[in-house]
Amino acid sequence: NAGVTQTPKFRILKIGQSMTLQCTQDMNHNYMYWYRQDPGMGLKLIYYSVGAGITDKGEVPNGYNVSRSTTEDFPLRLELAAPSQTSVYFCASSRDREGRNYGYTFGSGTRLTVV
Amino acid sequence: KNEVEQSPQNLTAQEGEFITINCSYSVGISALHWLQQHPGGGIVSLFMLSSGKKKHGRLIATINIQEKHSSLHITASHPRDSAVYICAVRNFGNEKLTFGTGTRLTIIP
Repeated sequence: NAGVTQTPKFRILKIGQSMTLQCTQDMNHNYMYWYRQDPGMGLKLIYYSVGAGITDKGEVPNGYNVSRSTTEDFPLRLELAAPSQTSVYFCASSRDREGRNYGYTFGSGTRLTVV
Repeated sequence: KNEVEQSPQNLTAQEGEFITINCSYSVGISALHWLQQHPGGGIVSLFMLSSGKKKHGRLIATINIQEKHSSLHITASHPRDSAVYICAVRNFGNEKLTFGTGTRLTIIP
């Protein structure tokens, strides 16, 4: 049981480039989330999904896009990367809404640097 | 907007010491989570609680809803407990999480 798998672990992008951060979970969780963690700050929610085909914006969605074509996958797309998107990105999933009864499972994170 | 404050920001202790990490928040919540972030970066859920106290091994989490305060205790601390401990609160209404900035714990052998 792999849990939540994120790839890549590290990436350096040039300003203006695009990339997709991959997230896959094998627990059949309906709810999935993308967070970013900046130095000295708490995690911030970028986008979330309550099931295949349904996504919604979180607190800091600008500059990002997501899709949820399957229950397992929830990729995060960065278009036109900017230095402000330098951060550590975490994908998470939960069995129920906002981990209400069973908590969250997090991936190991993707450290992204935009130069 | 809920403000989540953790203290201390950094804590260094000797192996075997009893550890307390605090979390306070400004607005009533439906639940509080304690998370552990390993030096390699991965995040693990430790506890979710809405009242009282929970225990798992050497870790104990308590919450006082009236005081808007939670504590995470580690008994007989060990170097492998070295990590960043993050408090997150689930807000009434939108049910979204607000995260604290974390407490960096270092246990010296």
